[in-house]
Amino acid sequence: QQQVKQSPQSLIVQKGGISIINCAYENTAFDYFPWYQQFPGKGPALLIAIRPDVSEKKEGRFTISFNKSAKQFSLHIMDSQPGDSATYFCAARESNFNKFYFGSGTKLNVKP
Amino acid sequence: NAGVTQTPKFQVLKTGQSMTLQCAQDMNHEYMSWYRQDPGMGLRLIHYSVGAGITDQGEVPNGYNVSRSTTEDFPLRLLSAAPSQTSVYFCASSYPSTGGGEQYFGPGTRLTVT
Repeated sequence: QQQVKQSPQSLIVQKGGISIINCAYENTAFDYFPWYQQFPGKGPALLIAIRPDVSEKKEGRFTISFNKSAKQFSLHIMDSQPGDSATYFCAARESNFNKFYFGSGTKLNVKP
Repeated sequence: NAGVTQTPKFQVLKTGQSMTLQCAQDMNHEYMSWYRQDPGMGLRLIHYSVGAGITDQGEVPNGYNVSRSTTEDFPLRLLSAAPSQTSVYFCASSYPSTGGGEQYFGPGTRLTVT
């Protein structure tokens, strides 16, 4: 049973458009929610992260929206660029054990 | 800093063989983890360690063994390889942080078991 559910599995967006990826969780012991970006043949790299006491965090074109009551969080990529084409993973950390659980990933393709 | 390094990059094993995937980090991170990545499954935690001499199981530990004798190294042992262990394996490290804790990932080892 996957602890973090991610959707959609794949996403095609035109250059300049907005990419939105959603994640949901159940475990209230999660205390840190990072998003990772992975290019083919590479390891994941941290993109942006949020704590549950904050409802939104923005870094450049990337924004996390967090809804604690609904146990949902999402990644918004504004003005999407072809260079953003990658696989994106949401994750959640179980604080007591520093264990991370990952979503199943979203493959984003930004068309020029 | 080399960051997190993994060897080998690619490996082909026959069913029943054993091998060790190597992972090392030079950032003096206390926490280290092993994940496997399979299509449509994301990354799943195999084993993790919160410091030298301390390891624990993750979501999918069966068939794998770990030890942590130094802060820098965290090898993953496959005891008797099975085709179900065909996957891409990532090692990650991070520092303890109550507010977060960015994980740094290695480049991965692509393992095929025939």
